[in-house]
Amino acid sequence: EVQLVESGGGLVQPGGSLRLSCTASGFTFSNYWMHWVRQAPGKGLVWVSRIKSDGTYTNSADSVKGRFTISRDNAKNTLYLQMNSLRVEDTAVYYCARAGIFPVSPLFSWGQGTLVTVSS
Amino acid sequence: DIQMTQSPSSLSASLGDRVTITCQASQVISRFLNWYQQKPGKAPMLLISDASNLETGVPSRFSGSGSGTYFTFTITSLQPEDFATYYCQQFDTLPLTFGGGTKVEIK
Repeated sequence: EVQLVESGGGLVQPGGSLRLSCTASGFTFSNYWMHWVRQAPGKGLVWVSRIKSDGTYTNSADSVKGRFTISRDNAKNTLYLQMNSLRVEDTAVYYCARAGIFPVSPLFSWGQGTLVTVSS
Repeated sequence: DIQMTQSPSSLSASLGDRVTITCQASQVISRFLNWYQQKPGKAPMLLISDASNLETGVPSRFSGSGSGTYFTFTITSLQPEDFATYYCQQFDTLPLTFGGGTKVEIK
């Protein structure tokens, strides 16, 4: 069974940093593209970033470019999102999601999410 | 960015009703369209991929159709566990974009 467990969320002041983790199990992590998607309280889903299976290629939404960095450690079956220069508008539940083995594919499995609150 | 316009934003329906949600893309996306279900406090779950492909384990009362810019999602006979919010999502072009969601409530 595919399992994705996010951690690392919490309360941080504007301008601060946070690193989210997503630990994967139940599948061969190193074969799949992985994504981060966020959801502000009471709002819809917004794509944040994605990373290739071997970690050599990434893409991010314009709203987070230069501030957020997606990475992965395939030996640890873990996906990361380093978030710097956080803004109030980054407040959201952050989900990691497993896509397919190809760059163009649905988001097949999702973690339960971790809440990031940016507030002074 | 490709805009996904989903309608209605909410609807009230009774058990056993047929429910249809539409999703319109701002440009042609072929069949690169997915549908997700999200219940309160839970993660989204993929129901339909590639516009009409029902994911394993998803009940057959759910279906999807369309191509190009216009897509529909249908629940043929609404069940208690179907009350949730549904999102369409295109994966033709980055950034991936989602519709605004349709909240299906009990009448």
